[in-house]
Amino acid sequence: AQSVTQPDARVTVSEGASLQLRCKYSYSGTPYLFWYVQYPRQGLQLLLKYYSGDPVVQGVNGFEAEFSKSNSSFHLRKASVHWSDSAVYFCVLSGDSNYQLIWGSGTKLIIKP
Amino acid sequence: EAAVTQSPRNKVAVTGGKVTLSCNQTNNHNNMYWYRQDTGHGLRLIHYSYGAGSTEKGDIPDGYKASRPSQENFSLILELATPSQTSVYFCASGDLRDTEVFFGKGTRLTVV
Repeated sequence: AQSVTQPDARVTVSEGASLQLRCKYSYSGTPYLFWYVQYPRQGLQLLLKYYSGDPVVQGVNGFEAEFSKSNSSFHLRKASVHWSDSAVYFCVLSGDSNYQLIWGSGTKLIIKP
Repeated sequence: EAAVTQSPRNKVAVTGGKVTLSCNQTNNHNNMYWYRQDTGHGLRLIHYSYGAGSTEKGDIPDGYKASRPSQENFSLILELATPSQTSVYFCASGDLRDTEVFFGKGTRLTVV
């Protein structure tokens, strides 16, 4: 079965601190993995994506994610968060067919001043 | 630039009424999707399409129909709207294997 788990519904960090949002996936083949961000009252935007190659992928606004096949994980990181990073972050897996995107339940990131 | 346009952006409907949500994409993508998003949930797939003339059921299709009359347009139809269908609806388009999916800005539907 294919699935994506984001174990943390909410994460609170102080402005300027580092960040890691966790994502675990279950998929037997080679996954395509994405992180999307949803800012308040807006649509969803792609932060970064992984298909193959270097397991660390860079995204927009200083975000990066690291793919680990052995851990079935695709965690999102940022070295120093800004208040404008407050949003909901979704980890997404592209599975077997050409239609199915499997979404995690999202992690709400709250930045403390 | 890739674009997905939804209309209307906000809609208030009465219980039992018919609602049509429209989506237009200029990306020439084959795949299009309708999702709903509710508090505490991620996006849940209602219907999707591989191309003009095709519609497929997603994970929560009950109470919804979809129509894909052309490559560019994909509609979501609520024949008999119910208050449980109050939600934010997102349309999206994607290419083969969905190497990237582009989203509209969402439609906030309230059924009273």
